[in-house]
Amino acid sequence: AQSVTQPDIHITVSEGASLELRCNYSYGATPYLFWYVQSPGQGLQLLLKYFSGDTLVQGIKGFEAEFKRSQSSFNLRKPSVHWSDAAEYFCAVGAMGYSTLTFGKGTMLLVSP
Amino acid sequence: DAGVIQSPRHEVTEMGQEVTLRCKPISGHNSLFWYRQTMMRGLELLIYFNNNVPIDDSGMPEDRFSAKMPNASFSTLKIQPSEPRDSAVYFCASSWTSGGGNEQFFGPGTRLTVL
Repeated sequence: AQSVTQPDIHITVSEGASLELRCNYSYGATPYLFWYVQSPGQGLQLLLKYFSGDTLVQGIKGFEAEFKRSQSSFNLRKPSVHWSDAAEYFCAVGAMGYSTLTFGKGTMLLVSP
Repeated sequence: DAGVIQSPRHEVTEMGQEVTLRCKPISGHNSLFWYRQTMMRGLELLIYFNNNVPIDDSGMPEDRFSAKMPNASFSTLKIQPSEPRDSAVYFCASSWTSGGGNEQFFGPGTRLTVL
């Protein structure tokens, strides 16, 4: 069975500072990996995804994530955080042959001025 | 495309009443998912359909919950009778699933409050 761990429930970052949100997954084969963002009162929006190939993936809004198979990780990064990035971020894992995704419990990002 | 459409956006009802949530997936998508989100339990998959057929309903909490997908462009999630603990945000998502693992597109959600 697949599982996703996001070890940080809340993270506070100063505006303009860099950001890294952690995600660890458990899955026996090659996973499909996703990061979603949820702004207050909104649905989840896809930031980026990894299926295969280059392990550094670029997404929308200046985000990127790196797949590290040896560490079973898919951490999300942004070099300079903006106040509008304050939201909840979800990591998810899927797999070939399966329609469903397994979501982590989310990390709430707070941006301080 | 308008994206995944859900209605109503907010629903307030009294315990014991029937509640019906509606979802229109993205045209051309062949998989549809219903999720429930609460502070305590996070995002939970309730049921999903592939080509209008329910594939896995193991996440449906009780027999009070039922879901249908009569055609490729419409699905409902019904709670009868509703209880206060059903209060949550319910999301519908859709995807095009070929080999599997494709991204899901989420609707804006329905915030349900059961008094």
